[in-house]
Amino acid sequence: TQLLEQSPQFLSIQEGENLTVYCNSSSVFSSLQWYRQEPGEGPVLLVTVVTGGEVKKLKRLTFQFGDARKDSSLHITAAQPGDTGLYLCAGWWATGKLIFGQGTTLQVKP
Amino acid sequence: KAGVTQTPRYLIKTRGQQVTLSCSPISGHRSVSWYQQTPGQGLQFLFEYFSETQRNKGNFPGRFSGRQFSNSRSEMNVSTLELGDSALYLCASSFGGDQETQYFGPGTRLLVL
Repeated sequence: TQLLEQSPQFLSIQEGENLTVYCNSSSVFSSLQWYRQEPGEGPVLLVTVVTGGEVKKLKRLTFQFGDARKDSSLHITAAQPGDTGLYLCAGWWATGKLIFGQGTTLQVKP
Repeated sequence: KAGVTQTPRYLIKTRGQQVTLSCSPISGHRSVSWYQQTPGQGLQFLFEYFSETQRNKGNFPGRFSGRQFSNSRSEMNVSTLELGDSALYLCASSFGGDQETQYFGPGTRLLVL
């Protein structure tokens, strides 16, 4: 059983479309993080959301932390081929121990 | 500042063998965490070392072990390899404080035949 459930697992869209990826848990997390991983590389941190209800924007990416701190979403506006990659949500379970969702593989076609 | 480096990048072993992977953290970082990534299970936490001591451990069998040296470099060892151990092994380093940002290396791709 995954502590963090991500959906969808796969997403293939055309350039210019919008998309949302969800990360849900039955547990409360003090913060949730979103990473992006490209083939042959390790995950790279995009953002950390800490406060329930918090919304953070990173150019065309919008991250939201649920009020109850059990869920988060990542919304991409006008997706571009350069957004292609594996998106992972993660939460701290203990010091030094990150728990990851299964990941969402995004393919943006030109 | 140099990033996290992992060696080797690719490795092919046969069942029953053992393997040692190495991770050099970012200079000044004292915590090194190891993760296993597979298509089926995703990214799973193996263990974390801080100042040469294992501070946290995931749910992996005892065949998976690690250590950390005084210069914070870390190694993980897998003994009696099984086909299911084929995976990308990632290490991440941080300063070691609570919820400190982790910086990941590129990983070691292990294939067990």
